Amino acid sequence: KAGVTQTPRYLIKTRGQQVTLSCSPISGHRSVSWYQQTPGQGLQFLFEYFSETQRNKGNFPGRFSGRQFSNSRSEMNVSTLELGDSALYLCASSFDRATGDEQYFGPGTRLTVT
Amino acid sequence: GENVEQHPSTLSVQEGDSAVIKCTYSDSASNYFPWYKQELGKRPQLIIDIRSNVGEKKDQRIAVTLNKTAKHFSLHITETQPEDSAVYFCAAVRTGTASKLTFGTGTRLQVTL
Repeated sequence: KAGVTQTPRYLIKTRGQQVTLSCSPISGHRSVSWYQQTPGQGLQFLFEYFSETQRNKGNFPGRFSGRQFSNSRSEMNVSTLELGDSALYLCASSFDRATGDEQYFGPGTRLTVT
Repeated sequence: GENVEQHPSTLSVQEGDSAVIKCTYSDSASNYFPWYKQELGKRPQLIIDIRSNVGEKKDQRIAVTLNKTAKHFSLHITETQPEDSAVYFCAAVRTGTASKLTFGTGTRLQVTL
């Protein structure tokens, strides 16, 4: 069974630009969650999608948005990038995170904002 | 919102010794507590989890204990080995449609020879 994949793996953007990250979950998984990992703030929950609907959202500004497609693939978009958005963005998939199913993480996308 | 405190932030033990990492949570509705191991440059991986109806769970050298009354849970690693060196994250989860997951700040474990 293929694992969770994320593209691109590395990205360099300039302040003010926008970026779209992609996550392909494990086949059969309907829940995709996104996390931001930084040395200072650790792992922080961004949002979760289940069956194409955003089910839960963390405490991030509206510049962070996402969506999920019918095949459960998910994208995350960050608009008007700021230097502080530099981080490793991880997605994780599970059958249904709301029931406490095990989450499987992708390798992450490392975003650098200059 | 939920707050999860994790201690210590760094831990150095000699090979063969035990390591204990502790977490406390604030949301009494949290009912699922996973632990993740993240090796340098790699993705987090679930190593053990416990649900609120259980007080202790063990898997070979790894065990987790949960005290719901005190709202704290701990990870115990016995007979540590160099390959246990990694960052460990605890998390507290309130399951359900309004599911919330909050991670602890992480513990960097270094197992020395």
